[in-house]
Order: sequence, then C-alpha cells, then structure tokens
Amino acid sequence: DAKTTQPPSMDCAEGRAANLPCNHSTISGNEYVYWYRQIHSQGPQYIIHGLKNNETNEMASLIITEDRKSSTLILPHATLRDTAVYYCIVRVNSGNTPLVFGKGTRLSVIA
Amino acid sequence: DSGVTQTPKHLITATGQRVTLRCSPRSGDLSVYWYQQSLDQGLQFLIQYYNGEERAKGNILERFSAQQFPDLHSELNLSSLELGDSALYFCASTSSPGHGQETQYFGPGTRLLVL
Repeated sequence: DAKTTQPPSMDCAEGRAANLPCNHSTISGNEYVYWYRQIHSQGPQYIIHGLKNNETNEMASLIITEDRKSSTLILPHATLRDTAVYYCIVRVNSGNTPLVFGKGTRLSVIA
Repeated sequence: DSGVTQTPKHLITATGQRVTLRCSPRSGDLSVYWYQQSLDQGLQFLIQYYNGEERAKGNILERFSAQQFPDLHSELNLSSLELGDSALYFCASTSSPGHGQETQYFGPGTRLLVL
C-alpha cells in the first residue's frame, strides 16, 4: 500500500499557484519524497524529489516540513497544461525499490 | 520526451493470445521497470531488470514474463490473455541503481485491449 495520503481532487485558477499537499506521517529517515504527474493516459512524468530540504527546479518547488511528516508541491503559475493526476511517493533511493503509486490528486486548472 | 520508447502504442488482441511489448530505455540507463495501469488497480509494479538480470518482482502473474537483452532493451511477454489484462503498460528506466539519486523516467506506454 502507498505510504502517502493526498486529497483526491483540487481545482486551481490558471495563473495562480497550485499547492498540492501530501501526508507521509510514517516516513523513514532514509526515504525520499518524490512527485510525479500523469497527464491523461500518458506515462508518468517526474517532477521533483527531496529528502529534508526544500527543493526547486524549473517545474515546481517542494516544501517538506521539519518533521518530514508532510510536504507540499507548489506549481507557481499553473497553466491548463498542468491539469493532471499528481502522485506523491515516498521511497528509499536504492536499486531495487520500485515506485508505489497511490491514487494521487487530480488537479484541474481552470481558465 | 523522457527518452524511453515503447512499442507498439496500441495493441488489440483476443483472449487466449500472446503478445510482446517492447521497451528501449534511455541512452546509458541499465535498469528497466515494468508497470501495469488498469482502471481498478491503478499503477502497479510488475518487474525490474538491471543489466540483463532480474532484480525485483512485484505483482506479476505467472502468465507474464520479461527479459532484458544485451543491448538493454526489454520485452514483456503476456500469454493466455484474459479480458482483465486490458490495461496500459509502462516501462521506466534509470541509470545505475544504488549509485546516487535514482529517478525513474517513464515511456509513453502501450495500451493493450483484450477482446
């Protein structure tokens, strides 16, 4: 079973920041937080990951709480193309650990 | 474009048949993962290969098998197909697992429809 809890759906106005929460209260010290998204039925797309520090890349920012029990993915200026299912996944970074997907959050960006 | 390619994009076949799905990993990636996405089960891990050897197994049925060839492409073989095998099948690749931060990059998938 997935080790994360996410809201099933969220709406966001185009041009506004989309803040997607994820709860991972049982995360272990060596587990990273990964975010992927899946647009329609395309292959999941990697967004960002982090261990305990906040991370930012060209797609998004990842804010991890100090106790690491929750995190927030931030899309700073959402566009219609960001409409997708967003998956928050916790996993160790070893060679034999597949991704365990939950149900994710369906983000709808509205014009 | 993730750099992972999968063929065919779509496949329609009948129950009882056998099909082969192909995946070419990103250039330089040694590890390939296969996932199945059905409407009722979501995205589920099937099997992983690293440099030609099986590394990890998930919820893969005995009717399914996979292999990774010397050129690192991988094939997923599905036999005695049932209606319930209709799904999207994705592969993902990574570089050397266990060395640094391993991120999986997914291909576009193969949509299988069993009639």
